[in-house]
Amino acid sequence: AQSVTQLGSHVSVSEGALVLLRCNYSSSVPPYLFWYVQYPNQGLQLLLKYTTGATLVKGINGFEAEFKKSETSFHLTKPSAHMSDAAEYFCAVSGASEYGNKLVFGAGTILRVKS
Amino acid sequence: SQTIHQWPATLVQPVGSPLSLECTVEGTSNPNLYWYRQAAGRGLQLLFYSVGIGQISSEVPQNLSASRPQDRQFILSSKKLLLSDSGFYLCAWAGGATQYFGPGTRLLVL
Repeated sequence: AQSVTQLGSHVSVSEGALVLLRCNYSSSVPPYLFWYVQYPNQGLQLLLKYTTGATLVKGINGFEAEFKKSETSFHLTKPSAHMSDAAEYFCAVSGASEYGNKLVFGAGTILRVKS
Repeated sequence: SQTIHQWPATLVQPVGSPLSLECTVEGTSNPNLYWYRQAAGRGLQLLFYSVGIGQISSEVPQNLSASRPQDRQFILSSKKLLLSDSGFYLCAWAGGATQYFGPGTRLLVL
């Protein structure tokens, strides 16, 4: 079985500060890992993903994440927060199954950016 | 490019009324399709998924059902809505490992 833990349901940073959103996963098979962002009353937008290959993954809007197998982590970072980054962020893990890939989501982290 | 549509965008329904939410995908064929519900304080819950026409798998026992009458159409239904069915319903498609989400339907059951 797979699971995802996002540490901190709310994170608050100042504009221009580093953004760090934490995600740890458990998986019995090599994982595919994802970060999604959700703005109020909208669907989820894919930020970035790790499937195979390079462990440092760059995504949209200046975000990146690093897959660390030894730590079972996939933390999301951005060097300098912008007001428009305020949203809810979801980490997810997937493992192939005969019924199609199912995503297991973390509980989400709400990012607040202070001016 | 692929696009995913959901309608309606918002819906207010009385308890005991029927429900039909529709999701369609353009620009791809034979996608895997998914229905999720997002309720306040409960995160994202996978309700149903489908790997082909007429093939539906249910993740949790509930008051809802799903159907896939066409390759790129996925419908979420209920015969009698409950208050607990209120939430934000998201449809997603996948051609591989990555899922792409629609804009969602906000359902309020009163």
